[in-house]
Amino acid sequence: GAVVSQHPSWVICKSGTSVKIECRSLDFQATTMFWYRQFPKQSLMLMATSNEGSKATYEQGVEKDKFLINHASLTLSTLTVTSAHPEDSSFYICSARSWVELAVHTDTQYFGPGTRLTVL
Amino acid sequence: QKEVEQDPGPLSVPEGAIVSLNCTYSNSAFQYFMWYRQYSRKGPELLMYTYSSGNKEDGRFTAQVDKSSKYISLFIRDSQPSDSATYLCAMRIPGAGSYQLTFGKGTKLSVIP
Repeated sequence: GAVVSQHPSWVICKSGTSVKIECRSLDFQATTMFWYRQFPKQSLMLMATSNEGSKATYEQGVEKDKFLINHASLTLSTLTVTSAHPEDSSFYICSARSWVELAVHTDTQYFGPGTRLTVL
Repeated sequence: QKEVEQDPGPLSVPEGAIVSLNCTYSNSAFQYFMWYRQYSRKGPELLMYTYSSGNKEDGRFTAQVDKSSKYISLFIRDSQPSDSATYLCAMRIPGAGSYQLTFGKGTKLSVIP
């Protein structure tokens, strides 16, 4: 249980284009989803926290107009990297948390497999 | 001082060895502790979740929490090459509405056949 998927698993795009990454909780309803960025050999850097139906809360230093987050349903959140540049190339990972099904799933964050973005 | 300190390694051990991974923390408000395993180019996978001092065992893995010393450990018995990964400790403050986790930097482990 507690499976989170991400799509695509990798994407290559040209500088200036926008890229959308999907994060889905497959067997539970995710009231809260998180988006992280991870550089090689470094730990996870939290970008934003989103609750279903409300605006995302961005961490300091993360541009909300560049990294658009939508959490329209209890099983889907999307991250759109707008006008991507080479410095946006990174490994993006989402996680999801459910408080509803605590009898089944441990109350913590479950991570997706990640999306590797390369901007040329 | 960072909130969570974790030796990044790398740590290299022979197959069958007992591995000890550790994290220290400074904020006594942390009450929930997790260990995640992350293989290269993959998302972190939850290994252990504890919320009290003491030991918790799951197969070859034992998580240990010492709140008085602000110190947590993960022990891996009979280590296997498939255990080669980066291990991240994480912790959370109860009642924090955002349910954010604070992570260590991760320790890269290599188990040599």
